[in-house]
Amino acid sequence: SQELEQSPQSLIVQEGKNLTINCTSSKTLYGLYWYKQKYGEGLIFLMMLQKGGEEKSHEKITAKLDEKKQQSSLHITASQPSHAGIYLCGADISRTSYDKVIFGPGTSLSVIP
Amino acid sequence: GAVVSQHPSRVICKSGTSVKIECRSLDFQATTMFWYRQFPKQSLMLMATSNEGSKATYEQGVEKDKFLINHASLTLSTLTVTSAHPEDSSFYICSAAGWGRAKNIQYFGAGTRLSVL
Repeated sequence: SQELEQSPQSLIVQEGKNLTINCTSSKTLYGLYWYKQKYGEGLIFLMMLQKGGEEKSHEKITAKLDEKKQQSSLHITASQPSHAGIYLCGADISRTSYDKVIFGPGTSLSVIP
Repeated sequence: GAVVSQHPSRVICKSGTSVKIECRSLDFQATTMFWYRQFPKQSLMLMATSNEGSKATYEQGVEKDKFLINHASLTLSTLTVTSAHPEDSSFYICSAAGWGRAKNIQYFGAGTRLSVL
């Protein structure tokens, strides 16, 4: 099984609806990143969470980190077509100095106007 | 966010030829650069990590003689796919991380789609 799992795998929502994407790690999290990717393009950095209970927001996107549960959630409020894309979470699972980040399989989001 | 430029965005080559992909950090010094491969509808697969001035660290199963990585400066890393074959066709993405930016955040290039005929 993967070290980092995301749910749901894909999501189709009506414009204006709220949605949540979850990311769960099988290992202790020392940092959690959220990225967005348009198909065939690079990843756009959204947010980084490092401390348990930390919550960050950018425009209509909010991410939270539950360190104890080794989980993070990404919540989009009043979704818009511009939110469509693939959302990937990435995690630092090493406590040592800077190490590689592992990525989840991604959640594909479609927003219907 | 930081700007990472990757070039070319798309390349088509004949089997047996070599292809070089460049990754540049435009507004910060990248002490570490990463090269990923992404298959359709799948997540990123880390190929190797390169630190400026030292040899790249390859992930298990990645042939270092096949995928040559050079990180000669704090702003440039290159990936050369040597003697490319159709099975090397894929989407390759680089990322960069370094001082002057929030620790550990990787900023990604736009990717290179390689098609080997």
